[in-house]
Amino acid sequence: DAGVIQSPRHEVTEMGQEVTLRCKPISGHNSLFWYRQTMMRGLELLIYFNNNVPIDDSGMPEDRFSAKMPNASFSTLKIQPSEPRDSAVYFCASSLMEWNTEAFFGQGTRLTVV
Amino acid sequence: QKEVEQNSGPLSVPEGAIASLNCTYSDRGSQSFFWYRQYSGKSPELIMFIYSNGDKEDGRFTAQLNKASQYVSLLIRDSQPSDSATYLCAVFSGGYNKLIFGAGTRLAVHP
Repeated sequence: DAGVIQSPRHEVTEMGQEVTLRCKPISGHNSLFWYRQTMMRGLELLIYFNNNVPIDDSGMPEDRFSAKMPNASFSTLKIQPSEPRDSAVYFCASSLMEWNTEAFFGQGTRLTVV
Repeated sequence: QKEVEQNSGPLSVPEGAIASLNCTYSDRGSQSFFWYRQYSGKSPELIMFIYSNGDKEDGRFTAQLNKASQYVSLLIRDSQPSDSATYLCAVFSGGYNKLIFGAGTRLAVHP
């Protein structure tokens, strides 16, 4: 398996534009996580899905953020409209979500909003 | 109180010394505990996990868990410059049914 695949790797956009980040989890994993990482706040859980259903979105900072998982092999995280403070590295991770299994991370998307 | 807390560091140790990284968590229902390593500009990768009280050893790494004190640590023996990275503690919280990360401790091993 190629691991968790995220795209794009880098995104530079202007304030106010819509941004869509994409993630393909590892085949067979039933849980998917979106994290945001900044120097100030570290690695923050934004939302996670179990069997394609959003379970906990309490980490989503505000209504400008939305996430979907239309099927077991694809998820998106959308920011509309984007703001400079959204600049961060966004990681997607997947796991079998058993209590003793690890989460595997994608390479991340570095988002810069200017 | 944050759900998972780590000292941000940097923790600086000389090559060959033991590096000790600590983590505390707030949810007593937490079931399993993970240590990830993250090199600059890279994604986190798993080093070890532990779910029973006591020590678990894997090569130069030892994870220690004390559920009564809600404390987990990672010891790195014979530290090498290649161990310089940020170490993230992650807790699978049974109460919240999710994997929560600490902010990470930056380790610098100098020759």
